[in-house]
Amino acid sequence: EVQLVESGGGVVRPGGSLRLSCAASGFIFEDYEMSWVRQTPGKGLEWVSVINWNGDSTAYADSVKGRFTISRDNANNSVYLQMNSLRAEDTALYYCAKEGGYWGQGMLVTVSS
Amino acid sequence: QAVVTQEPSLTVSPGGTVTLTCGSSTGAVTSNHYPYWVQQKPGQAPRTLIYDTRNKHSWTPARFSGSLLGGKAALTLSGAQPEDEAEYYCLLSYDGPRVFGGGTKLTVL
Repeated sequence: EVQLVESGGGVVRPGGSLRLSCAASGFIFEDYEMSWVRQTPGKGLEWVSVINWNGDSTAYADSVKGRFTISRDNANNSVYLQMNSLRAEDTALYYCAKEGGYWGQGMLVTVSS
Repeated sequence: QAVVTQEPSLTVSPGGTVTLTCGSSTGAVTSNHYPYWVQQKPGQAPRTLIYDTRNKHSWTPARFSGSLLGGKAALTLSGAQPEDEAEYYCLLSYDGPRVFGGGTKLTVL
């Protein structure tokens, strides 16, 4: 059974940094691309970033480009999202997602002074 | 980045059929956009119903199907059930970046 478990969320001040982690199990992790998606409470889904199977190709939404970095560790079946220069508008529930459409339960990130 | 468009809201009668569509500002949607359809109910995590245009997961009810229709991606629900009332999002791939549509609120009434 595919399982994706996010961690690392919390409250951070504007301008601060946070690193989200996603621990994957139930599939051959290194065979699949992984993504991060976020959702502001009461709003729609926003795709954030994707990383290919071995980490040498990434893509970002314009809203986070230059501030967020996606990475992965295939030895530890984990994908990460390093979030720098955080803004109030980055406040959201962040989901880890596997290629093919499997989702974690989400991790709340709140950017507030 | 591209803009992905969906109907803001649709209503279907129980047992009825409805088609949700997903268009792209860059032109016709093709299989190379690898369309996904994601269902989300209030308070729940998203759940993917369709990926890569028409592929279903084990949990996808048979009444849902994905296709390309008139230059758009389409999700057809045949035989709507009350539990199908939800928000539906499409996701398109643009050779790297992905973009979600704004979602369609489907009411079964």
